[in-house]
Amino acid sequence: QKEVEQNSGPLSVPEGAIASLNCTYSDRGSQSFFWYRQYSGKSPELIMFIYSNGDKEDGRFTAQLNKASQYVSLLIRDSQPSDSATYLCAVTDSGGYQKVTFGIGTKLQVIP
Amino acid sequence: EPEVTQTPSHQVTQMGQEVILRCVPISNHLYFYWYRQILGQKVEFLVSFYNNEISEKSEIFDDQFSVERPDGSNFTLKIRSTKLEDSAMYFCASGTSGTGEQYFGPGTRLTVT
Repeated sequence: QKEVEQNSGPLSVPEGAIASLNCTYSDRGSQSFFWYRQYSGKSPELIMFIYSNGDKEDGRFTAQLNKASQYVSLLIRDSQPSDSATYLCAVTDSGGYQKVTFGIGTKLQVIP
Repeated sequence: EPEVTQTPSHQVTQMGQEVILRCVPISNHLYFYWYRQILGQKVEFLVSFYNNEISEKSEIFDDQFSVERPDGSNFTLKIRSTKLEDSAMYFCASGTSGTGEQYFGPGTRLTVT
């Protein structure tokens, strides 16, 4: 059974701080890695994707990938109360890109 | 900005009945997916669809489930004989590339009584 592990939280950070969200995955052959944001009662919204080892930055978000350690992270700089949501890590299976396994998600609370 | 749409937003059905959940993917997307999320649990992959056929499916996607792209715009999920445990939010997603980036619709909440 391929697993994607996340701490369910909640992770509480003050407004303006950096939020650091982490994810590990079990399938060593996974090639594509995603971060989705899900507000309560809403659908997942794709915010970042990364395919290669290293960092990828987009605005206030930075995704980090370390395939050797099977570890993906998401940093949110200058956290805002509107960032309060559950952040889902998702990973494609090594057998192909069409099957995606999600983690349980980390609930982030940004305190004003 | 183009988006995935789903209908209905909420469907209530009795155990044993058939339901069809409908999705209109983003128009230039080629890859289509169905997921479900039971309240408080993970988003679970059901099936992916490309070039008019199923490309991957999970162990959840058994003979009770089927998918169809009946025309150039709609993508449907049929559950033949619903069970209480099928109660969940069902999300449709679509993507342009084979690398797995997917954009989700708002979901259909299915309640089986």
